[in-house]
This record gives sequence, C-alpha cells and structure tokens, in this order.
Amino acid sequence: IAGITQAPTSQILAAGRRMTLRCTQDMRHNAMYWYRQDLGLGLRLIHYSNTAGTTGKGEVPDGYSVSRANTDDFPLTLASAVPSQTSVYFCASSVASGGADYNEQFFGPGTRLTVL
Amino acid sequence: GENVEQHPSTLSVQEGDSAVIKCTYSDSASNYFPWYKQELGKGPQLIIDIRSNVGEKKDQRIAVTLNKTAKHFSLHITETQPEDSAVYFCAAGGGADGLTFGKGTHLIIQP
Repeated sequence: IAGITQAPTSQILAAGRRMTLRCTQDMRHNAMYWYRQDLGLGLRLIHYSNTAGTTGKGEVPDGYSVSRANTDDFPLTLASAVPSQTSVYFCASSVASGGADYNEQFFGPGTRLTVL
Repeated sequence: GENVEQHPSTLSVQEGDSAVIKCTYSDSASNYFPWYKQELGKGPQLIIDIRSNVGEKKDQRIAVTLNKTAKHFSLHITETQPEDSAVYFCAAGGGADGLTFGKGTHLIIQP
C-alpha cells in the first residue's frame, strides 16, 4: 500500500441499506478526513479525526458516522442510505491539523456511491 | 465557520495565455491556503499552498498571492498548456477541523 486507499471504487446501493466506505493510509498521518463531492458544490467535510480515538463533525455530518480505532483506518458508515447521499466520497489525511503544523492533505482516489 | 467563495466557476483560455482564479474567505483565523488540481476520475492533488506569513509564492508556472487584509488569495498559471485543463479548488483552514473548499473552477485550455 502506498498513500491512501479507498474501497470500494464504486457501489450501487438500495435506499435503506447500511454501507461502510473504507479508507486506509500507510503514511502514519495523525489526521484523517471524509469529504463528499457533488457537482457545483465542491468538496464538503463530513467528519474528521485529529488523532486515533477522536472524531469530530464537519459541515455535513447528518446520516454518517465514523470511527478511528487506530492510526491507519478511518471507515465512514451510512446507517440507512438515502438517495441524497449519492455522491463521490473522498478520504484524506494529513500529518497534523491545526496551528503551525498544518500540512498538506493527501486525498484517496474516491468512492462513487449511488443510492437508488 | 469558514466560508470560501471561488470565481470563476468556468474559465476558458487560449493555450499559452495566463489564467487567474480568485478566492475569498471569511475567517480571519485561517492561516493555510492550498490549491488543489483535480483531473477527471481522480482525487484532488495539491499544486501549491501558502501560509499567512507569506504574501506570494511561486513554483515554475504557478504562483499564489495572498492578501490577508482583504481576505482573498489567487492562483496564477502562466504559459498555459493542455495538461493544465482540470478542475481547481482553493481552500482555507488552519484550525483543527480540516479545510473549507471553494466550489471549484473548471479550467479549459483551448488549443
């Protein structure tokens, strides 16, 4: 593994189903993020984690949950998917977050999710 | 929270000409301003960034300027080439809750 990987690459999901998007990084970055990208709306932050064991809500957290059990993994779960969650989801990581240590965010290749 | 406005949404320039994309932000506490390039089907990739203690930064054909007083920053691409065609995003941040992105600019380089 090199950088950030996301799985699956794409998924079609029936409304009401539960879905977990996976994200793994091998750079030992402390901070990780989940964004959704929708046409005309850019990238919007869903949830973030500044370090293993902690998480926080972003701009659009409703309907999503995350966990950060270890440094490398940051899964995003849709408990009961709805059509408005159709989007492209990007995971990102950075060495640290906040203050003078703010650093580049590295993005994964994305997961294209369609909820019918 | 932070609010980032990006203009224009679409920019078409002739190959060899310059392109300028502008962003404004609202939170005076933001101190990190990256620019990302996204090619079709891929994740965004950092092309240049600037911190609030610097007014201008240049990397070959790409430059970024920052005006903290006016809360705006701009991306300048000179001598544009076909491979510069992509969607460009500005962002602002510096706190513990990640970056706030602009809505993106689709840059089209006309041959």
